Amino acid sequence: KNQVEQSPQSLIILEGKNCTLQCNYTVSPFSNLRWYKQDTGRGPVSLTIMTFSENTKSNGRYTATLDADTKQSSLHITASQLSDSASYICVVSGYAGNNRKLIWGLGTSLAVNP
Amino acid sequence: NAGVTQTPKFQVLKTGQSMTLQCAQDMNHNSMYWYRQDPGMGLRLIYYSASEGTTDKGEVPNGYNVSRLNKREFSLRLESAAPSQTSVYFCASSEINSPLHFGNGTRLTVT
Repeated sequence: KNQVEQSPQSLIILEGKNCTLQCNYTVSPFSNLRWYKQDTGRGPVSLTIMTFSENTKSNGRYTATLDADTKQSSLHITASQLSDSASYICVVSGYAGNNRKLIWGLGTSLAVNP
Repeated sequence: NAGVTQTPKFQVLKTGQSMTLQCAQDMNHNSMYWYRQDPGMGLRLIYYSASEGTTDKGEVPNGYNVSRLNKREFSLRLESAAPSQTSVYFCASSEINSPLHFGNGTRLTVT
């Protein structure tokens, strides 16, 4: 069964600290992996998208890694800011028959405290 | 630079009432999507339109209909609302293998 599991479910850190969020998936065949940030009351916003040949991709203070062999990804946030408080969702693009399908994780809820 | 615009932002319906959620994008994307988001569940695809003139069912299409009015607009209709359809509805657009661009959602309560 195609699944995307994220950990931890929630996380609280102090402003200025770094953190790493995890994503494990069992989607096969695999097309790409995406990370989205969702602020409370808003729609998700794309942070990164990586194909199986890409090990790492950065977007400002956000760095995503991908290990297609172990089917694991991480999102590292450097020097956190209060505005980083949000839900971070891992999404894997795979195939169901001939149709491309996005499998969404449940997200990690991050709170950055002053 | 509006991106994806959804209306209304909030709606309360009684069981059995009907309504249409509107979505428009100004990025000239071919593909458009309707998702619902419920607590404790990942986003679930209701319907999508790969290109103007086509629509296809997603994971949870029962109780919904859609219309791809033109390349910009993709509407979602609830013919007879049920309490189980209380949710936050998101419209999105994209090109193939590119990130989805989401609107800010419609919060629907069915009593």
